[in-house]
Amino acid sequence: DQQVKQNSPSLSVQEGRISILNCDYTNSMFDYFLWYKKYPAEGPTFLISISSIKDKNEDGRFTVFLNKSAKHLSLHIVPSQPGDSAVYFCAASARGDQFYFGTGTSLTVIP
Amino acid sequence: SQTIHQWPATLVQPVGSPLSLECTVEGTSNPNLYWYRQAAGRGLQLLFYSVGIGQISSEVPQNLSASRPQDRQFILSSKKLLLSDSGFYLCAWSVDSTYEQYFGPGTRLTVT
Repeated sequence: DQQVKQNSPSLSVQEGRISILNCDYTNSMFDYFLWYKKYPAEGPTFLISISSIKDKNEDGRFTVFLNKSAKHLSLHIVPSQPGDSAVYFCAASARGDQFYFGTGTSLTVIP
Repeated sequence: SQTIHQWPATLVQPVGSPLSLECTVEGTSNPNLYWYRQAAGRGLQLLFYSVGIGQISSEVPQNLSASRPQDRQFILSSKKLLLSDSGFYLCAWSVDSTYEQYFGPGTRLTVT
């Protein structure tokens, strides 16, 4: 049973525009969420996180929004750059438990 | 600073052969260690995690096993590989289970 879902397997965005990657979860006990970025043949790298006590966390061009009532989070990248082209995974956990990963969204930023 | 190593980077093995993938972490003590598998078109599936030497928890029943003979060493093994074992295997570490994980470079395993 997939507790964390990324329903868009791929996304294409023009350079300079906003990229919005979405993630939905089913477990209301999840209280910590992360986004990872993964290039081909490499391990994922941590990008940004958010705790359930917040609804927004920003780090440079990356902003994560959390809507607890909708069990939905999104990652915004503004402005998008070609180097952002990668697979993005969201992950969620209930503190003290394992992380559950989504299936990933492949982002392509077109120059 | 902390670093995580995995080897080999790629591996092609016939069905029925054994497997041993190794992961080591430097620059930290008593990390939580994890083995994940990323199969084609799927997310990251947690296979095993360890909170200390000799302590292994299995998340998915399969023909794989894991061992942690030393504090910063985590080994993934199989006695007989199946075709379905093909995938990208990732080792990760974290300070504890509540914090973000840091991943190694991964091993691409192809079972033929």
